[in-house]
Amino acid sequence: KAGVTQTPRYLIKTRGQQVTLSCSPISGHRSVSWYQQTPGQGLQFLFEYFSETQRNKGNFPGRFSGRQFSNSRSEMNVSTLELGDSALYLCASSLELPGLAGGTDTQYFGPGTRLTVL
Amino acid sequence: SQQGEEDPQALSIQEGENATMNCSYKTSINNLQWYRQNSGRGLVHLILIRSNEREKHSGRLRVTLDTSKKSSSLLITASRAADTASYFCATVLNRDDKIIFGKGTRLHILP
Repeated sequence: KAGVTQTPRYLIKTRGQQVTLSCSPISGHRSVSWYQQTPGQGLQFLFEYFSETQRNKGNFPGRFSGRQFSNSRSEMNVSTLELGDSALYLCASSLELPGLAGGTDTQYFGPGTRLTVL
Repeated sequence: SQQGEEDPQALSIQEGENATMNCSYKTSINNLQWYRQNSGRGLVHLILIRSNEREKHSGRLRVTLDTSKKSSSLLITASRAADTASYFCATVLNRDDKIIFGKGTRLHILP
């Protein structure tokens, strides 16, 4: 079974631009979560989607948005990029919502998209 | 602020020795998970311990959970070079089911 894939793997943008990142979950997984990882802040939760609905959201500005499609694939968008948005963006998929039932469902992470904002 | 805080931030040990990492958290949890991340890559799930469990084993890994102290420890026995990685604890909050990661412990196994 193929793992979680993220595209692109590397991206360089300039301030003010927008970017769209894509995540394809493991086949059969219905939940997708997004995280931002930076050296200073560590892993920060962005959003969580299940069956095309956003179920949870982290403390990020409205410039960060996402969606999930009927095939469970997910995209996240960052508009008006800032230097501080440079980070590794990780996507994780699971069969069900990982937080439900006490979070017993394992999340499988993709390799990430490394975004650099110049 | 971060829910989970790992301690130490970095750890270097000789191959074959045991490595212990700790995680402290602030609010009530459903369960706690440990993940490994090799440099610049995605995270790999290692082990999950529920709030009503005190100890769990998986191969060379041993995890303990003390809910009264709001802390957990991850022990890796007989360390190997391949164990060099960052280790994160993640807590599932029982108030909103969010998964919150700590900042991690960087483990370096010396040959």
